[in-house]
Amino acid sequence: DSGVTQTPKHLITATGQRVTLRCSPRSGDLSVYWYQQSLDQGLQFLIQYYNGEERAKGNILERFSAQQFPDLHSELNLSSLELGDSALYFCASSVGRGVVWEQFFGPGTRLTVL
Amino acid sequence: AQSVTQPDIHITVSEGASLELRCNYSYGATPYLFWYVQSPGQGLQLLLKYFSGDTLVQGIKGFEAEFKRSQSSFNLRKPSVHWSDAAEYFCAVGAPQNQGGKLIFGQGTELSVKP
Repeated sequence: DSGVTQTPKHLITATGQRVTLRCSPRSGDLSVYWYQQSLDQGLQFLIQYYNGEERAKGNILERFSAQQFPDLHSELNLSSLELGDSALYFCASSVGRGVVWEQFFGPGTRLTVL
Repeated sequence: AQSVTQPDIHITVSEGASLELRCNYSYGATPYLFWYVQSPGQGLQLLLKYFSGDTLVQGIKGFEAEFKRSQSSFNLRKPSVHWSDAAEYFCAVGAPQNQGGKLIFGQGTELSVKP
């Protein structure tokens, strides 16, 4: 158990819908990262927050957005869902915001868009 | 741009045999390199990391990896594989500080272990 929690574990929804994925980092960790794992794209970085502020962005679609709240939990919002958004979404947390800080991964949320 | 290549999509080894998983990276400066393992239905767990210093790094679960700058490689090894090592293994390089602490992953190598 990494100490990072993600809810829900599974999510099944229809095209065009909007969903919210939630992540609670390890106690004391200030950085949160979101990654998407799909069969065709592999594991890709989406976005990073550090202490409530966006710090880095990857190949995140405009239909996707995220935020980190004052209690440091983070939410990833996916809207106008398409079939291709079906993937495993991981959250990771670390103490600091540089790569030298180990990232601890949650168990992921599996999103299925029908 | 930074990138990671894992040439082997799937590898099968017999239990007790040695293992080497290949990883090649592309990076302009001294890289920060990682190996993660993902068991079915689980998140990623860090096996080991290389930042600087000794090019042979030891990790958890009996794994080690060797950084070879001349070959741009960071191969993962284990002298004797156990059935519980069956999983997917990801090599990753850390992006520069001005790009946050994101990890750039290879496509992964799935390891199967024969009894």
